[in-house]
Amino acid sequence: GENVEQHPSTLSVQEGDSAVIKCTYSDSASNYFPWYKQELGKRPQLIIDIRSNVGEKKDQRIAVTLNKTAKHFSLHITETQPEDSAVYFCAAIIDRGSTLGRLYFGRGTQLTVWP
Amino acid sequence: EAQVTQNPRYLITVTGKKLTVTCSQNMNHEYMSWYRQDPGLGLRQIYYSMNVEVTDKGDVPEGYKVSRKEKRNFPLILESPSPNQTSLYFCASSSTTRTGTENEKLFFGSGTQLSVL
Repeated sequence: GENVEQHPSTLSVQEGDSAVIKCTYSDSASNYFPWYKQELGKRPQLIIDIRSNVGEKKDQRIAVTLNKTAKHFSLHITETQPEDSAVYFCAAIIDRGSTLGRLYFGRGTQLTVWP
Repeated sequence: EAQVTQNPRYLITVTGKKLTVTCSQNMNHEYMSWYRQDPGLGLRQIYYSMNVEVTDKGDVPEGYKVSRKEKRNFPLILESPSPNQTSLYFCASSSTTRTGTENEKLFFGSGTQLSVL
């Protein structure tokens, strides 16, 4: 099956700096890669996603890049703010054609943004 | 309001006492799934269902059962809970129409913190 590895497990940055979280996956059939943000005591929420036919996607201060050949994808947060502090999870999904199948999550990255 | 509702939010039980955690969604989603979240291990999928009467094992199905008799409900059943099933559980649902990534967005419930003594 799929194996998703996420690094680093913890990340501390100064407000205004950039943060990068990286994930690798093992199954080349994976073709949908969402990122989730989970604030303390709350549910995970989708913040950005990318499909395997796209190399990069941006949404304001957040971007995701995908390298299919190397089987890795990264989350980039620019101009970080204290409210970006949370646990971030990457995931890899093997598309079954018309439906989601099994989801594989990374172990999470605790991002702390210091004011 | 579109939502996934889990109950209860908190549950303390004893080893061997059967329990059910309910999950209901009001978005007419075909896909529903259960996860457990443990420190350092992230989210691990327990079971998922692509439609009514269709369920499949995820990464950690041992000790759990599910059923999908109707589209909106996907209960998680622990027939004989053990302390190693103490965890935070999330239910999630998603549409399976592929008209865009927005329709594959996974909606999570608020979570159920389970403690098995």
